[in-house]
Amino acid sequence: SYELTQPPSLSVSPGQTARITCSGDALPKQYAYWYQQKPGQAPVLVIYKDSERPSGIPERFSGSSSGTTVTLTISGVQAEDEADYYCQSADSSDIYVVFGGGTKLTVL
Amino acid sequence: EVQLVESGGGLVKPGGSLRLSCAASGFSFSAYTMNWVRQAPGKGLEWVSSITSSSSYIYYADSVKGRFTISRDNAKSSLYLQMNSLRAEDTAVYYCTRDPGYSSSPGAFDIWGQGTMVTVSS
Repeated sequence: SYELTQPPSLSVSPGQTARITCSGDALPKQYAYWYQQKPGQAPVLVIYKDSERPSGIPERFSGSSSGTTVTLTISGVQAEDEADYYCQSADSSDIYVVFGGGTKLTVL
Repeated sequence: EVQLVESGGGLVKPGGSLRLSCAASGFSFSAYTMNWVRQAPGKGLEWVSSITSSSSYIYYADSVKGRFTISRDNAKSSLYLQMNSLRAEDTAVYYCTRDPGYSSSPGAFDIWGQGTMVTVSS
């Protein structure tokens, strides 16, 4: 079955830049989406179609794509950005939705 | 206000059944593909099932195929998930989500409910 691979954890200091990667063979053909989930809360969509930002999401969140890897970048990380981040896409059959395993971002 | 509210979760024995409901409000429910996504305690997100706006296309994750049935009632702005032959590994928070249709491919969940907990245990 198709998988998206993310690093389990990442630690950054406030004000630094966090880059979370997500790898998958179908990513050159399928859009990627990113979600932020804080403890006890439902996920929130922060990036769609690789690099688009929904209204209400701070400009410090951005997305990019290169080959089989997509990247969520958080510039000028703030304490409130500490959360789990999940990438999501579809497999090459265009039927199945797949989530990455999630990356726990810790703001030191 | 755009909102999804799930209900129907609870404690059920292995092999039992449960029906989840999701009430939508604040948007034209009948225009959107809807989905169920679950999250086991302390684990990541797992897509469960999708249903297109007119119920023409329905898809399931392999882990639930043959046991779960997704359906919708556009007149009532409601989404359902009938879960049969439940197993311990189905224990999770179940979220109702909306696909905004950014792309013709599945995915992108822009609205999420608060989730309903399903516990499968004897």
